[in-house]
Amino acid sequence: QQQVKQSPQSLIVQKGGIPIINCAYENTAFDYFPWYQQFPGKGPALLIAIRPDVSEKKEGRFTISFNKSAKQFSLHIMDSQPGDSATYFCAASRRNYQLIWGAGTKLIIKP
Amino acid sequence: EAQVTQNPRYLITVTGKKLTVTCSQNMNHEYMSWYRQDPGLGLRQIYYSMNVEVTDKGDVPEGYKVSRKEKRNFPLILESPSPNQTSLYFCATQAGTNTGELFFGEGSRLTVL
Repeated sequence: QQQVKQSPQSLIVQKGGIPIINCAYENTAFDYFPWYQQFPGKGPALLIAIRPDVSEKKEGRFTISFNKSAKQFSLHIMDSQPGDSATYFCAASRRNYQLIWGAGTKLIIKP
Repeated sequence: EAQVTQNPRYLITVTGKKLTVTCSQNMNHEYMSWYRQDPGLGLRQIYYSMNVEVTDKGDVPEGYKVSRKEKRNFPLILESPSPNQTSLYFCATQAGTNTGELFFGEGSRLTVL
């Protein structure tokens, strides 16, 4: 019940395409769903986050879609650029302190 | 500048030789934690601390110790490192439950031979 399952493990997309990364959870008590972005040699950094009272949140080219009934949420990157190449982690928590992490998706955007 | 500083960034050591990875933050955050990152396994929490002198086990605490004597520092101690502790380690801090945002250090890559 504590797991967050993330897919795919890796993803290659042409520049301008829309990569989509999916996450699924079991614990209905989760109330905070962030996405972190990690570049090689760096620590993860918060990209965007959503709470279950909304179904979608956009920040620039990044969008989280949230489906509470299906217990799924996904990250979409519009007009993807080579600079978006990174590892992306989804996570979930019931209280903000204790995040449960997905396994990560290595995204490569080809020029 | 807000920072989470880890040292060393890279270390190669041998089995059984005690080592400490330091973590220091300048944001006055109460919450600090340690993670290890391994391919295909994502980020796994080792220990966390809600405040000075308050520490608790995460998901993978075996073989590790921590202490929180000061608010800004949260060292990770490997008393007798083994090869299965070869990993990339991250320290992270968080201001409070309202924000939910974790701030990570740049990582410490540890190899145990």
